Amino acid sequence: EADIYQTPRYLVIGTGKKITLECSQTMGHDKMYWYQQDPGMELHLIHYSYGVNSTEKGDLSSESTVSRIRTEHFPLTLESARPSHTSQYLCASSDLSDYGYTFGSGTRLTVV
Amino acid sequence: SQKIEQNSEALNIQEGKTATLTCNYTNYSPAYLQWYRQDPGRGPVFLLLIRENEKEKRKERLKVTFDTTLKQSLFHITASQPADSATYLCALGLNSGYSTLTFGKGTMLLVSP
Repeated sequence: EADIYQTPRYLVIGTGKKITLECSQTMGHDKMYWYQQDPGMELHLIHYSYGVNSTEKGDLSSESTVSRIRTEHFPLTLESARPSHTSQYLCASSDLSDYGYTFGSGTRLTVV
Repeated sequence: SQKIEQNSEALNIQEGKTATLTCNYTNYSPAYLQWYRQDPGRGPVFLLLIRENEKEKRKERLKVTFDTTLKQSLFHITASQPADSATYLCALGLNSGYSTLTFGKGTMLLVSP
């Protein structure tokens, strides 16, 4: 079944740690995105990719990096976690047309 | 700057009634607008897309209108059910396969039996 998967679902980590949030999709979509969402707030774009070896910064890209070595995989890395990074991180994908995004279930990150 | 406004207060309605949610935008000329449903702790789920040259789109009990003069979209759920209770987000996109969506904060809909 075509889908998009995010791991871990929940993560509690100490300040200063390096973390990687995983995102994989089985739909062959070229475009992938990372959004950050706090409760009751809008989604903020962190990074996005048009395809393999393509990455672009969104509005909220500081302090994180992404890579797109394979079409299906788009991991997000925080080099040094801080309490301000506590949030929900949502990965999504779409094809090159303007169809709707398919979102993963998200990773709820807490930095203590 | 670009701004998308959705009612911040929850909309409470009775089962069977029609729910109408509003999305207004400023400083933006979107080529299309999308509506998503989001349940607590989950990612948004795509519902409908309407393009700038379309006035209305329907899908089962859902109807979306798009008025580029008023810079407004209305999202209707007819014969609402308690299972429709969720937060509904609108998102705007530009006319390019290389654009990204800009999302509103969403409006929570509560349908009581």
